[in-house]
Amino acid sequence: GDSVTQMEGPVTLSEEAFLTINCTYTATGYPSLFWYVQYPGEGLQLLLKATKADDKGSNKGFEATYRKETTSFHLEKGSVQVSDSAVYFCALRDNQGGKLIFGQGTELSVKP
Amino acid sequence: GAGVSQSPSNKVTEKGKDVELRCDPISGHTALYWYRQSLGQGLEFLIYFQGNSAPDKSGLPSDRFSAERTGGSVSTLTIQRTQQEDSAVYLCASSTLTGLGEAFFGQGTRLTVV
Repeated sequence: GDSVTQMEGPVTLSEEAFLTINCTYTATGYPSLFWYVQYPGEGLQLLLKATKADDKGSNKGFEATYRKETTSFHLEKGSVQVSDSAVYFCALRDNQGGKLIFGQGTELSVKP
Repeated sequence: GAGVSQSPSNKVTEKGKDVELRCDPISGHTALYWYRQSLGQGLEFLIYFQGNSAPDKSGLPSDRFSAERTGGSVSTLTIQRTQQEDSAVYLCASSTLTGLGEAFFGQGTRLTVV
């Protein structure tokens, strides 16, 4: 079945460091891909999405590119802030509107 | 409503009791999902509704778990004869039916079985 694999955390970075959180997926069709973020004490919210190959999703300085050839959707940010400390979840959803499948989440901690 | 609403926000129950968790999705959203998030863990898929039918119940961990959705709107997740391992945050999300639509999450119900 479809699945999502994320790099394990926790990831600890200093402020202004470059961030990459790896995400790869397995899917039989052509899914839409998402990154969700869960800030401490808050619910999950969508960070960015991409719906077809080579699309780039971006929001709040974060970017991820849908790479069909490597089945990847890695999350990047050029300069992280303390306020980016959160748990990040990669997810896919098949384009028939099926269930949303999440990776295991990656905790990011940014130190001043 | 403006967002996905879940109730109660917190529930403490004794082992062996039944509990019902409620989810009010965003109006007009035909897809509804239930997930479970245990401490320090990822999101475990439980069940997915399209309208009132559940094409995928594969994530329900045992026959003590059941869910229904009525009127294409409110959904209830029922856990019978609760066990301590059922303690977790239960999350509900809704979305439009197409694969392009993002899922919007509620704040969750924190269930503690003592």
